[in-house]
Amino acid sequence: GQNIDQPTEMTATEGAIVQINCTYQTSGFNGLFWYQQHAGEAPTFLSYNVLDGLEEKGRFSSFLSRSKGYSYLLLKELQMKDSASYLCHPIMDSNYQLIWGAGTKLIIKP
Amino acid sequence: GAVVSQHPSRVICKSGTSVKIECRSLDFQATTMFWYRQFPKKSLMLMATSNEGSKATYEQGVEKDKFLINHASLTLSTLTVTSAHPEDSSFYICSARTDRGAGNEQFFGPGTRLTVL
Repeated sequence: GQNIDQPTEMTATEGAIVQINCTYQTSGFNGLFWYQQHAGEAPTFLSYNVLDGLEEKGRFSSFLSRSKGYSYLLLKELQMKDSASYLCHPIMDSNYQLIWGAGTKLIIKP
Repeated sequence: GAVVSQHPSRVICKSGTSVKIECRSLDFQATTMFWYRQFPKKSLMLMATSNEGSKATYEQGVEKDKFLINHASLTLSTLTVTSAHPEDSSFYICSARTDRGAGNEQFFGPGTRLTVL
């Protein structure tokens, strides 16, 4: 199957940390992207994981467990501008068929 | 980073007319470009995968004759919405894949908002 599970919406406080989880069921897994999308704008690339483990990029980190079909995006020191939707995007097989989760809407409160 | 542009950013047209949207990779060659459609508060929906010099691969449920895709060069792909109707009103986003960096990174255009009256 190609089911992708992300929470629909999350709320966090400015300055705090939030973890957005994503589980997927894909065969021929070939990597996973996280994108950020502000309302009315195109998505922007955040991270790409193909190996197990944690990839850190400044305030954002992404983790992947291939065996568990699980990834998370960790956002630290949250800022108001981080209010956006976060899309989990696994890629399956060599055809790079593209599957998108519905995204998690993250609301940051002061 | 790699830059992808789209033109126009916004277009309003009458029902029955055709609209062409351009997607360009400005500082890299993209052998593959993707076209997405996004409805309000919905996830991105892949419409088609466009490979330079060959016919586009359309996703199930996407009408090939209605959404014409041409990928004539390594830096340009076009999407033409033919005989547009109000239900075609949407946010159309293209992306281009580069072999640089992670090898699978996609870079997105800013999107084109189409409104069909």
